[in-house]
Amino acid sequence: EAGVTQFPSHSVIEKGQTVTLRCDPISGHDNLYWYRRVMGKEIKFLLHFVKESKQDESGMPNNRFLAERTGGTYSTLKVQPAELEDSGVYFCASSLGYSPLHFGNGTRLTVT
Amino acid sequence: DAKTTQPPSMDCAEGRAANLPCNHSTISGNEYVYWYRQIHSQGPQYIIHGLKNNETNEMASLIITEDRKSSTLILPHATLRDTAVYYCIVRIYTGTASKLTFGTGTRLQVTL
Repeated sequence: EAGVTQFPSHSVIEKGQTVTLRCDPISGHDNLYWYRRVMGKEIKFLLHFVKESKQDESGMPNNRFLAERTGGTYSTLKVQPAELEDSGVYFCASSLGYSPLHFGNGTRLTVT
Repeated sequence: DAKTTQPPSMDCAEGRAANLPCNHSTISGNEYVYWYRQIHSQGPQYIIHGLKNNETNEMASLIITEDRKSSTLILPHATLRDTAVYYCIVRIYTGTASKLTFGTGTRLQVTL
């Protein structure tokens, strides 16, 4: 089966621009998570969808970040406007129920 | 979620068993112990998990002490490709909220 796929793998944007990251979970997985690692820090939880509903968005840093999961399939994470401190690697993960999370290889975002 | 404590780094000779310890002294009865690893710039990879019994799969073995306050991940025959950061995580299942909380992990270096 195909794993979790993320697009793009790399993105370089200027401060103030908008970027949209996409995550396609493993087919049939109802849970979808977003995480990120900023330079030198630990991997941090951002939010959790169950199907199309936001179950936990306690890790979202501020209102410049907007995540959606229309239809309960793929998800997008939009950063608008991007700031320098948003640079890092954004990971998506999915799971079926309480099964282990499976992660994608991430999107490396660089804000200049 | 319960906190975990891991040594920051370990070395292991190729072909030997790698034993990675983890302390989770505040773990509660309904929290599972999960192990993930991150190889270079890839996404975290699921290895194994358990509640109170020892577990084994094709990748590793997980030994959990009887009081559940600590555990050990065992890679029976480490190879150079096992060089990675290994994360010990306790995961609570509370309704539909079951995120993982990553720490700093153990950087395992496998050498010739």
